[in-house]
Amino acid sequence: DAGITQSPRHKVTETGTPVTLRCHQTENHRYMYWYRQDPGHGLRLIHYSYGVKDTDKGEVSDGYSVSRSKTEDFLLTLESATSSQTSVYFCAISAKRNLQETQYFGPGTRLLVL
Amino acid sequence: GNSVTQMEGPVTLSEEAFLTINCTYTATGYPSLFWYVQYPGEGLQLLLKATKADDKGSNKGFEATYRKETTSFHLEKGSVQVSDSAVYFCALSDDGKLTFGQGTILTVHP
Repeated sequence: DAGITQSPRHKVTETGTPVTLRCHQTENHRYMYWYRQDPGHGLRLIHYSYGVKDTDKGEVSDGYSVSRSKTEDFLLTLESATSSQTSVYFCAISAKRNLQETQYFGPGTRLLVL
Repeated sequence: GNSVTQMEGPVTLSEEAFLTINCTYTATGYPSLFWYVQYPGEGLQLLLKATKADDKGSNKGFEATYRKETTSFHLEKGSVQVSDSAVYFCALSDDGKLTFGQGTILTVHP
């Protein structure tokens, strides 16, 4: 358990509205990640952060932006939600356990865009 | 680029049967390999990992061996239980970012 929470856990929104998902961690980890999970695709990386105000794009970043103003919070924003962004969103942190880096995941946010 | 391919699912087994879920990968470097498990309605949990060739990861009766010559990391368990019903993801990392396979749904019947 890496002390990761996500909010909200479920959200229904309409096409064209902005949506912000929050990931919060309690253990001061430097690296944080946002993934989306879709049937047949596994999880795909959207954006990641390697420190406060330091972020970079992942494989499927179009239509998403992120911000990290504090170590403990990593926000994912859908500027104008589309139906193709209906998905389950997972946040992860990278932690060193037994001298090895491993990613640990939050419980997920289920987003439905109507 | 990196990629991970898992065997097609879903997989349905009876309790105490032997489990194999195949996973092969393509990577430009020397990746670490992982199996994650997702129980219904939950996030992903790390099941096991291996960081170099010939390493064997093991946890909760599951095992997987890092085979560089066949670029594989197949998951095995000798006797599955109903409680093992979940989605299993193979993944690799060679730069800190994870690349996942598509996931394999496992259902175990009593």
